[in-house]
Amino acid sequence: GDSVTQMEGPVTLSEEAFLTINCTYTATGYPSLFWYVQYPGEGLQLLLKATKADDKGSNKGFEATYRKETTSFHLEKGSVQVSDSAVYFCALSDYSGTSYGKLTFGQGTILTVHP
Amino acid sequence: DADVTQTPRNRITKTGKRIMLECSQTKGHDRMYWYRQDPGLGLRLIYYSFDVKDINKGEISDGYSVSRQAQAKFSLSLESAIPNQTALYFCATSGGQGQDEQYFGPGTRLTVT
Repeated sequence: GDSVTQMEGPVTLSEEAFLTINCTYTATGYPSLFWYVQYPGEGLQLLLKATKADDKGSNKGFEATYRKETTSFHLEKGSVQVSDSAVYFCALSDYSGTSYGKLTFGQGTILTVHP
Repeated sequence: DADVTQTPRNRITKTGKRIMLECSQTKGHDRMYWYRQDPGLGLRLIYYSFDVKDINKGEISDGYSVSRQAQAKFSLSLESAIPNQTALYFCATSGGQGQDEQYFGPGTRLTVT
């Protein structure tokens, strides 16, 4: 079945540092890929998405590129802020097999940014 | 107002009690989902519904049941709560094929003592 693997956290950075959170996936078909963010005490919010190979999703200074050849969708930001402290989830949506129309999530990566 | 609402936001209950968590949405979406979140395990799908007459089990449905009362309402029940059902529960909606992203409620923190 489908699966998503994220780099283990927690990740701790200083403000203005460069961020990378790795995400790789396995899927039966041709999935759409997502990054969700969960701020403390809140539900998940869509951060960005990409629906086909070589697409780049971007939002709020975050970027991720859909790499079919390496089955990856790594999240990057050039300069993090304290307000970026949150839990980040990589996810995929596949319309093949038993995963039809459902999201499969990675385990989440906790990011803490210090001033 | 929030597009996806959940009630209650926090609940403490005792082992063996029946409890219902409710979810309402104003996005007009056909698809609704229930997840639980545990530390280090991400989100796991409990049940999902692609329309009012369609209910499907997710990966961890044992001990849970659901009811889709209307397009906008999807309830999750724990028939006889047990301590390992202590978790954060999220409801989500999506618009269907071609609109894969899901929109989440604020969550219900459930503690079973």
